[in-house]
Amino acid sequence: AQRVTQPEKLLSVFKGAPVELKCNYSYSGSPELFWYVQYSRQRLQLLLRHISRESIKGFTADLNKGETSFHLKKPFAQEEDSAMYYCALSGQGAQKLVFGQGTRLTINP
Amino acid sequence: EAQVTQNPRYLITVTGKKLTVTCSQNMNHEYMSWYRQDPGLGLRQIYYSMNVEVTDKGDVPEGYKVSRKEKRNFPLILESPSPNQTSLYFCASSLLSGSKRGEQYFGPGTRLTVT
Repeated sequence: AQRVTQPEKLLSVFKGAPVELKCNYSYSGSPELFWYVQYSRQRLQLLLRHISRESIKGFTADLNKGETSFHLKKPFAQEEDSAMYYCALSGQGAQKLVFGQGTRLTINP
Repeated sequence: EAQVTQNPRYLITVTGKKLTVTCSQNMNHEYMSWYRQDPGLGLRQIYYSMNVEVTDKGDVPEGYKVSRKEKRNFPLILESPSPNQTSLYFCASSLLSGSKRGEQYFGPGTRLTVT
């Protein structure tokens, strides 16, 4: 079974501080991992996926298969990063996307 | 512009009155899905479709129906809505192959209140 756990419902950091949003997953095969973001009053949108290995808006995420984690990191938080962040997993070859419960990130000025 | 649209955006209805929420995408995506978003529970999948006439249950399908008669449309039907279906609903679509497979595009959401 596929499962995604985001242990922090709320995370608050100061502007300029590093931020890390945790994501752990459970899946027996080779997963595809994603981070989606939902800004206030907007629809969910893809932030990044582990296959692309890109840095989007200063965020990066590394898939750690040994720890079954896909934490989202940014070295210097900005106020516009305040949003709801969802980690999601898709099993290889399948399109069922399972989401974590989400973490609401607040960046304080 | 590539997008997923949903209608209506807001709906207040009464218990038992059948309703349909429409979803349409213009990206020729094979895959479409419905989610509900509830505080503390995140996004939960209701139904999904891999192609025309191919649908399957997600994690919380009870009380919902879907159909996929055309590739671009994937309506969500509540035959007899109940208050526990009060939620924010999102439709999403994606490709099934290629470098963008699995990257879901979401609609703006439909806020449903059942009294």
